Amino acid sequence: AQSVTQLDSQVPVFEEAPVELRCNYSSSVSVYLFWYVQYPNQGLQLLLKYLSGSTLVKGINGFEAEFNKSQTSFHLRKPSVHISDTAEYFCAVSDATSWGKLQFGAGTQVVVTP
Amino acid sequence: DGGITQSPKYLFRKEGQNVTLSCEQNLNHDAMYWYRQDPGQGLRLIYYSQIVNDFQKGDIAEGYSVSREKKESFPLTVTSAQKNPTAFYLCASKAGETDTQYFGPGTRLTVL
Repeated sequence: AQSVTQLDSQVPVFEEAPVELRCNYSSSVSVYLFWYVQYPNQGLQLLLKYLSGSTLVKGINGFEAEFNKSQTSFHLRKPSVHISDTAEYFCAVSDATSWGKLQFGAGTQVVVTP
Repeated sequence: DGGITQSPKYLFRKEGQNVTLSCEQNLNHDAMYWYRQDPGQGLRLIYYSQIVNDFQKGDIAEGYSVSREKKESFPLTVTSAQKNPTAFYLCASKAGETDTQYFGPGTRLTVL
């Protein structure tokens, strides 16, 4: 069975500063990894995904993530945040045995202040 | 305009009543999913369907039921057996195994 741990429940950050959101997973097979963003009272929007290949994945809105198999991590980064990046961010994992089902972390609330 | 629609956006019900949440997609996706979201707990899978007329229980199926009579529709019924139904419910769909799950805007259910 898979599991996902998001190490920070809330991350305060100043506008134009960098941010890193940490995600660790456990799985006995090869995984697919995803980061989603959720704005208040809305659905989830995909930021980026790792399926295979290059371990550095670039997504929308200037976000990127790095897959580290040895550390079973998939941390999300942005070099300079905007007020509009205030949202909740979810890391999720699936694999070839899970029929496309996603296992989600508990989420990280990012609060950007001027 | 392709996407997933959920209705209603807000729903109130009295204890002891069943209620059905709608989820429709025009993306021609085979697979559809229902998640429940509670503060600080992420999303938990209720039911999923890989194909029409077939569905499986997720991690928290007790007190819920679904049907999949049409490819584009996957309604969720919250029954009176669900002990704590107040939550935000999200529907999703996807095309293939490694494809992205696309989410609807959600329905917020409040039991009075």
